[in-house]
Amino acid sequence: EDKVVQSPLSLVVHEGDTVTLNCSYEVTNFRSLLWYKQEKKAPTFLFMLTSSGIEKKSGRLSSILDKKELFSILNITATQTGDSAVYLCAVGEYGQNFVFGPGTRLSVLP
Amino acid sequence: ETGVTQTPRHLVMGMTNKKSLKCEQHLGHNAMYWYKQSAKKPLELMFVYSLEERVENNSVPSRFSPECPNSSHLFLHLHTLQPEDSALYLCASSQDRSLGDSYEQYFGPGTRLTVT
Repeated sequence: EDKVVQSPLSLVVHEGDTVTLNCSYEVTNFRSLLWYKQEKKAPTFLFMLTSSGIEKKSGRLSSILDKKELFSILNITATQTGDSAVYLCAVGEYGQNFVFGPGTRLSVLP
Repeated sequence: ETGVTQTPRHLVMGMTNKKSLKCEQHLGHNAMYWYKQSAKKPLELMFVYSLEERVENNSVPSRFSPECPNSSHLFLHLHTLQPEDSALYLCASSQDRSLGDSYEQYFGPGTRLTVT
């Protein structure tokens, strides 16, 4: 059965800290790995990764994929209270199927 | 505000009611999706329409019935629901290109459904 595992499930840090969120997966026909940020309702797209070893960056956020070891990490440096959210990892398969992980709930304290 | 809209944003219905959720995307995408998000559970993919052809999750009960009249509109028809169906229902769209190309999903704001 296809699955996506995220760790930790919950994390509390203080502003200015750096965090690393983990996502590992087992799927049949890997196509892409996506990271989303979900604050109140709809998830918002952060990154999509399809190739191993190529880091994607957007401001203080960065992510990298390892297709050999079947995992990805999402790094957030100099965290701010506005980074508090649930971070979702999803794996896209050929055939339009997406498998989502349970999410990591990040709380950034002032 | 994203390019994917959903109505209504909140819905309370009894177990004998029939209602429909509506999703519309303004992004020119060719694939649309229904997800269910329950408390403390991962997002669950319910249905996919790609080029108006349906792909479904076989674990979804028949009391949920999707309809996709064209590539911009997606409906989820609901009838004789159970209290455990109360959840946030999210619609998403993507541009599904040829094999090997990358794509991402854009989500609507969701419909918060409560079944009493």
